[in-house]
Amino acid sequence: GEDVEQSLFLSVREGDSSVINCTYTDSSSTYLYWYKQEPGAGLQLLTYIFSNMDMKQDQRLTVLLNKKDKHLSLRIADTQTGDSAIYFCAESPLSGGYNKLIFGAGTRLAVHP
Amino acid sequence: NAGVTQTPKFQVLKTGQSMTLQCAQDMNHNSMYWYRQDPGMGLRLIYYSASEGTTDKGEVPNGYNVSRLNKREFSLRLESAAPSQTSVYFCASSHEQGAGNQPQHFGDGTRLSIL
Repeated sequence: GEDVEQSLFLSVREGDSSVINCTYTDSSSTYLYWYKQEPGAGLQLLTYIFSNMDMKQDQRLTVLLNKKDKHLSLRIADTQTGDSAIYFCAESPLSGGYNKLIFGAGTRLAVHP
Repeated sequence: NAGVTQTPKFQVLKTGQSMTLQCAQDMNHNSMYWYRQDPGMGLRLIYYSASEGTTDKGEVPNGYNVSRLNKREFSLRLESAAPSQTSVYFCASSHEQGAGNQPQHFGDGTRLSIL
């Protein structure tokens, strides 16, 4: 089956690191994505990782992938108030014959001073 | 660089009214998608169009129709709106069908309320 699960809320202090976790079910997913949604806006692609990679780093963002456990995480270093948003994990299973995305319900990140 | 543009941004309808949500992309993408976003449920695919001239059902197509007018435009129509269709609707596009390394790009959404 295809399912993506995330915790719904995360609260961190400004300047600390944030870690948002995600589990997925479809082992055929070759790409996994992190999207960010700010209030009243659409989804903005943050980063994505190919399934043969364990880690990808892009400035303050670090993505870790444990393919054996089907676990994906997004670490945001030095979290700022501008990082407050909903973060969606998505998998891209090969079934379906199109660029199919299965989204988690989203993790709401709240950054406080 | 507009990306994916959706109109209108907000709409309130009465039960039974019809409505067409418009979407246009200027990235020369082949594939386009319509999603709905409901609280606590992430995004669910309503319909998609892998290329100009083709459309297919997604996860939740009932109550909706779509038209891929040309390569740029993909519209979503509610023929007889129901309160269960109150949601935020997102249009997205991507370059290639079936290519996982071609991420989907999203519009800002249409917030639709059905009374």
